[in-house]
Amino acid sequence: EAQVTQNPRYLITVTGKKLTVTCSQNMNHEYMSWYRQDPGLGLRQIYYSMNVEVTDKGDVPEGYKVSRKEKRNFPLILESPSPNQTSLYFCASSFGAGGPPLHFGNGTRLTVT
Amino acid sequence: AQTVTQSQPEMSVQEAETVTLSCTYDTSESDYYLFWYKQPPSRQMILVIRQEAYKQQNATENRFSVNFQKAAKSFSLKISDSQLGDAAMYFCAYRSAIGGTSYGKLTFGQGTILTVHP
Repeated sequence: EAQVTQNPRYLITVTGKKLTVTCSQNMNHEYMSWYRQDPGLGLRQIYYSMNVEVTDKGDVPEGYKVSRKEKRNFPLILESPSPNQTSLYFCASSFGAGGPPLHFGNGTRLTVT
Repeated sequence: AQTVTQSQPEMSVQEAETVTLSCTYDTSESDYYLFWYKQPPSRQMILVIRQEAYKQQNATENRFSVNFQKAAKSFSLKISDSQLGDAAMYFCAYRSAIGGTSYGKLTFGQGTILTVHP
């Protein structure tokens, strides 16, 4: 089944404790990206990747890191999480940027205390 | 930078009736794509409909259709014969086409919560 898999679904952590949210897709998509969803703000793009070893900042990249060493994986890293990073996070992928519709993962609810 | 605005935080509709959700956007690009995504309580993001900016014809997918007004930078979603399963948060989104200055970026609106009354 074609899908984007995010893990974990829920995560509660403390300020400053490094964490990684994994994202994997099995559709051979070149493009992958991360978003955070907050009430009243919709989804905002954190980082995106056009292909392996090619990443770029979205609109809200501060406090996040990403890597794209393999085509299928695009992990989101929070080196030192803070409470303002409490949010719902989505990973998505598509065949290229532009027109192809995005396939989304099921989201990760992160709480930083 | 592109912006997408959904001015209706909440909308409601009676089952079997028609409802229109509004979306406006701001861009200096001439070639781009617009999308409507649905997010039910399960929080899954589901593509509803897609519109290419270079096409004048409005996109249609079964009960869902759009009114795309390029000059006015407006992209509204019409849901006909509303069903209980249509209740969800709806997001409008903008994506640059190949060669656009923001190629790779995707901008969402704030979302509209749609309630369907039986």
